[in-house]
Amino acid sequence: QQPVQSPQAVILREGEDAVINCSSSKALYSVHWYRQKHGEAPVFLMILLKGGEQKGHEKISASFNEKKQQSSLYLTASQLSYSGTYFCGTARYSSASKIIFGSGTRLSIRP
Amino acid sequence: DSGVTQTPKHLITATGQRVTLRCSPRSGDLSVYWYQQSLDQGLQFLIQYYNGEERAKGNILERFSAQQFPDLHSELNLSSLELGDSALYFCASSVDAGTDTEAFFGQGTRLTVV
Repeated sequence: QQPVQSPQAVILREGEDAVINCSSSKALYSVHWYRQKHGEAPVFLMILLKGGEQKGHEKISASFNEKKQQSSLYLTASQLSYSGTYFCGTARYSSASKIIFGSGTRLSIRP
Repeated sequence: DSGVTQTPKHLITATGQRVTLRCSPRSGDLSVYWYQQSLDQGLQFLIQYYNGEERAKGNILERFSAQQFPDLHSELNLSSLELGDSALYFCASSVDAGTDTEAFFGQGTRLTVV
């Protein structure tokens, strides 16, 4: 039931782009993206809902393919501040539903 | 600052002991979630409360229990502690119980069992 994230880790140079993927074997209602810096709390980035609605950070883009139960987070023109571990969380229903997080994707940005 | 307060920030205790972790949600948030994060691991969902009632349950051990009080703060009780319970425990809150709402995480309580 835990979503699968890929890649597990990625190293970029500042200004490069990255895509982080999240897939589930179950039908989903929502996909949540969070970023966690080392030793800190996870910070909300975006929610993608079944039906196409998105809520979140203006500078972050993501997609949700309902047919494939896959979501992708797009990080363009990466900055040093983008470094951290990115987690996707998935929920099967709109309420009273667990939000289950993947194991994370560690992103390192080099100057 | 997310507005979610967790206390204590650090806790060191011996095996077999019992501890209580406390979480105060953001003002106005009715839903509280508890997550466990072991070293360099993902976030394991433990339990969710909404306005005092349990709404969703994850793989929470029987030695663990939680509750949400009328003032909406929540406590996670961990008993008969084992070395493997050492982890960072996060509390998060959101305005309602829906999964279309962002959650705000506290800074966590780092539990070390020795």
